[in-house]
Amino acid sequence: EIVLTQSPATLSLSPGERATLSCRASQSVSSYLAWYQQKPGQAPRLLIYDASNRATGIPARFSGSGSGTDFTLTISSLEPEDFAVYYCQQRSNWPLYTFGQGTKLEIK
Amino acid sequence: EVQLVQSGAEVKKPGESLKISCKGSGYSFTSYWIGWVRQMPGKGLEWMGIIYPGDSDTRYSPSFQGQVTISADKSISTAYLQWSSLKASDTAMYYCVRRDTTGTSDYWGQGTLVTVSS
Repeated sequence: EIVLTQSPATLSLSPGERATLSCRASQSVSSYLAWYQQKPGQAPRLLIYDASNRATGIPARFSGSGSGTDFTLTISSLEPEDFAVYYCQQRSNWPLYTFGQGTKLEIK
Repeated sequence: EVQLVQSGAEVKKPGESLKISCKGSGYSFTSYWIGWVRQMPGKGLEWMGIIYPGDSDTRYSPSFQGQVTISADKSISTAYLQWSSLKASDTAMYYCVRRDTTGTSDYWGQGTLVTVSS
């Protein structure tokens, strides 16, 4: 099983600041990594797929990078609605699509 | 518009059985895998397993193999997750997700909350 480790567990920032979230895989997942945003009481929403491709309707302030074992989700300038929990997920190891444990982005 | 609509919240007792559903619309239901994801209270997302409604090919995460059964009825575009004997530890929100052609979980159901308590 591929283990995804996200860091930090919690990130405290202010609106307008830049957020950098990390996801590290226990073995290479190539570029087969996605990022999801989950707000309280809602289902997760796809943000980024295949490491760096924004999903339909996702604002340009969200970007993803990385390959192999190290990945980053960057939010260039935080909006109030961006404060949520973010998860990474790998689809390299079919059919065991594991998730990271999540990073909570909170308002400072 | 692609939609996955899940059945409503359930409250059950330990030892009871349960089957929850996920109805797809707005796309060819038989052409995309449907996965199930568990989220225990206050916790993260866990991949449970996945089914291809076209031929009912089903795969399970080792942690969930033997604990749940995933099935689908393509005639009514609906996937199912069922338990034969619930435990308190099955209390969680359960999401169905569509796996798109790239392998990404692109659309999610709204979730079904299952509460198991005596």
